[in-house]
Amino acid sequence: AQSVAQPEDQVNVAEGNPLTVKCTYSVSGNPYLFWYVQYPNRGLQFLLKYITGDNLVKGSYGFEAEFNKSQTSFHLKKPSALVSDSALYFCAVRDSRAGGTSYGKLTFGQGTILTVHP
Amino acid sequence: EAQVTQNPRYLITVTGKKLTVTCSQNMNHEYMSWYRQDPGLGLRQIYYSMNVEVTDKGDVPEGYKVSRKEKRNFPLILESPSPNQTSLYFCASSILAGGLGNEQFFGPGTRLTVL
Repeated sequence: AQSVAQPEDQVNVAEGNPLTVKCTYSVSGNPYLFWYVQYPNRGLQFLLKYITGDNLVKGSYGFEAEFNKSQTSFHLKKPSALVSDSALYFCAVRDSRAGGTSYGKLTFGQGTILTVHP
Repeated sequence: EAQVTQNPRYLITVTGKKLTVTCSQNMNHEYMSWYRQDPGLGLRQIYYSMNVEVTDKGDVPEGYKVSRKEKRNFPLILESPSPNQTSLYFCASSILAGGLGNEQFFGPGTRLTVL
């Protein structure tokens, strides 16, 4: 079975400092990895994804994430945090291998609340 | 405007009273899915559909039904709701061209309370 772990329930950073939100995953085949953000009282918005290729992927609002296959991680990063980045962040994984019992499933982590202080 | 719509947005009901939450997308997406969001548990997939008349169980399908008779609609049915189904529900859709590496578009959510 596939799974995602976001080890930190909360991350607090000062505005202007770099931020990292951690994510580790487990799948049988090669992973498709996603980050989504949820602002208060809103639905989820897509930030970025890793499918194949370059391990460093860039996404919306200046966010980027690094895929590390040996550590099965996909940490979200931003060089300089903004107060407006404060939100709930979700990592998600899908198994790219066709035909498996999990094919089509998308599994989310439990979420990390990011708070950026002025 | 490309969007996923859900109705109702808020619902308070009583145990055992059948209800349906509708979901519709106007992007001609093949893939549609339902999730529930609970504090500390993140989003958990209830059911998903890869195309019309094709549905599969997610991680928490018990107590729910779905149908996919048309490409644009994917209703979630609770035949006999119970208090443990009180949650925030999201519908999502994505295109399947090129495989399952495409991002999902989410609806605004339906907050359900079962008394």
